[in-house]
Amino acid sequence: NAGVTQTPKFQVLKTGQSMTLQCAQDMNHNSMYWYRQDPGMGLRLIYYSASEGTTDKGEVPNGYNVSRLNKREFSLRLESAAPSQTSVYFCASSERPSGIHYNEQFFGPGTRLTVL
Amino acid sequence: SQQGEEDPQALSIQEGENATMNCSYKTSINNLQWYRQNSGRGLVHLILIRSNEREKHSGRLRVTLDTSKKSSSLLITASRAADTASYFCATVPLIQGAQKLVFGQGTRLTINP
Repeated sequence: NAGVTQTPKFQVLKTGQSMTLQCAQDMNHNSMYWYRQDPGMGLRLIYYSASEGTTDKGEVPNGYNVSRLNKREFSLRLESAAPSQTSVYFCASSERPSGIHYNEQFFGPGTRLTVL
Repeated sequence: SQQGEEDPQALSIQEGENATMNCSYKTSINNLQWYRQNSGRGLVHLILIRSNEREKHSGRLRVTLDTSKKSSSLLITASRAADTASYFCATVPLIQGAQKLVFGQGTRLTINP
């Protein structure tokens, strides 16, 4: 099993450009998440999908959109990139929503994004 | 806003010593989890403790939870160079619908050979 995979690993954008970060998991998990990690800070939740067909905003959703393409894939789109979106982006998945189901999350290796 | 705050922000010890990291949080929780992040990598789950549990062990890891003080600690015994990493606590706040984790800022642990 590959676990959680993310593409690309690195990306440089100019302000105003758009791009989509891809995430896929092969663990048959129901829930998927997108986080960003900035220097000196923990992870902040951007969007999550508790189950296929549903998506919800997290702590910092502005400037992002997501698509739960199917049970395996959850993509994050930046429509008009801004320098404030320079960050490392992590995708994660869990068997069921973290919380009442006491599920751990499995993380991908991250995408390092720089917006100039 | 972030729920958990780790203390200390950075910790440097000698190999073989014990490392203790603390996490404080603000609201009532369903469970608390600890994760490790090696430099340039994703996070790896270490241990989960439920709100009705007070202590949990996993190998060289010992986690305690004090819900009255809204705090948790992670103890790594007999540290090794490979334990060098950042450690994050993450909580599931009851008031937020129990569907997502809220991470603290992390403790950067360095084990000196």
